[in-house]
Amino acid sequence: QSVLTQPPSASGTSGQRVTISCSGSSSNIGSNNVYWYQQFPGTAPKLLIYRNNQRPSGVPDRFSGSKSGTSASLAISGLRSEDEADYYCVAWDDSLSGRVFGGGTKLTVL
Amino acid sequence: EVQLVESGGGLVQPGGSLRLSCAASGFTFSSYWMHWVRQAPGKGLVWVSRINNDGSTTNYADSVKGRFTISRDNAKNTLYLQMNSLRAEDTAVYYCAKLVGATTELDCWGQGTLVTVSS
Repeated sequence: QSVLTQPPSASGTSGQRVTISCSGSSSNIGSNNVYWYQQFPGTAPKLLIYRNNQRPSGVPDRFSGSKSGTSASLAISGLRSEDEADYYCVAWDDSLSGRVFGGGTKLTVL
Repeated sequence: EVQLVESGGGLVQPGGSLRLSCAASGFTFSSYWMHWVRQAPGKGLVWVSRINNDGSTTNYADSVKGRFTISRDNAKNTLYLQMNSLRAEDTAVYYCAKLVGATTELDCWGQGTLVTVSS
């Protein structure tokens, strides 16, 4: 059971906009930054969003992040087949004194 | 080029020990917190441990506290994870990572090293 809760799966058709949620508590998302990673099978995760809504250079602006209270969301607009991957949210947890990951969301592009 | 290269994974019996290493290059290793993150086969990412830039502060996930020890040698640009009393549930790919934080935007991961705990 992960500390941060994500839906196990999400899907959309090419060109659509999809949103992946990440629910936490006051000790993690409620008081700390949220980060989002993308991972393809057999490869290391890649940073997509940092400090809730910032994009590293090279990440398309189709990807955006937001945070409100103890929840965060990753939105992907103009969905492409190459976006099919696993997505993870992560935040520092003050009570656990460690980073906590969501369980991951497998995105399927139909 | 920023690079992290893990080594030391392999097959170990339950109750055994293993030490993972992570060689860093392309950035000022001694300036940053470093982390270990693991991923069991077919499962999600799990944060394991972190160590501050000079090695004086460490944190661990409850699942490994008292069994794993993180350390670093800044002269060798190398991060370590000493794993003792290994259990089957420790079977995973272990990633060494410099994670982005509140004040730093550098984020990089190694390719991972597989640890299999089995008799």
